[in-house]
Amino acid sequence: NAGVTQTPKFQVLKTGQSMTLQCAQDMNHEYMSWYRQDPGMGLRLIHYSVGAGITDQGEVPNGYNVSRSTTEDFPLRLLSAAPSQTSVYFCASSVTGNTEAFFGQGTRLTVV
Amino acid sequence: QQPVQSPQAVILREGEDAVINCSSSKALYSVHWYRQKHGEAPIFLMILLKGGEQKGHDKISASFNEKKQQSSLYLTASQLSYSGTYFCGTTSGGSNYKLTFGKGTLLTVNP
Repeated sequence: NAGVTQTPKFQVLKTGQSMTLQCAQDMNHEYMSWYRQDPGMGLRLIHYSVGAGITDQGEVPNGYNVSRSTTEDFPLRLLSAAPSQTSVYFCASSVTGNTEAFFGQGTRLTVV
Repeated sequence: QQPVQSPQAVILREGEDAVINCSSSKALYSVHWYRQKHGEAPIFLMILLKGGEQKGHDKISASFNEKKQQSSLYLTASQLSYSGTYFCGTTSGGSNYKLTFGKGTLLTVNP
């Protein structure tokens, strides 16, 4: 049972480049979310989804897009990377927003 | 809006107790507590739902005061393994799927 899998683990981008962070879970969870973690800022919610075809914005959605075509996958897209998006990104899944959240191992993204 | 955690950091000697607080300006439906070790993913500790219950396992417990929109995490007889950053996360009525976290409390337990 893999749980929540994030790829890649590390990535360096140049300013203006685009990329997709992948997140997949095999627990049949309806709820999935993306957080970014910066020093001293805690975990900030970027986008979340309550099921396939349903997404909503979190606290810091600007510069990021998401879609949820299947229950298993919830990719995060950076359309035009900026240095301010340098961060560690965590994907999480849970049965609902009020049950245990399982986190992936994170993606460390550096934008130069 | 992120819940507010206090203190930001605490240093203990093994065997001492600590309390970490979490408060929100919104009416809360649930409070979650997670611990994160450096370089790792956050790990679930417990969830408290609206109703003012208290939960705990081993020497870590938590309370939830719904009226005051506050929760506290109690660590008793701390162990070296308790070191890490503790995060509280909250959901509010009307948006039970939007789990937002505080900035964290760095707990260091020394021998």
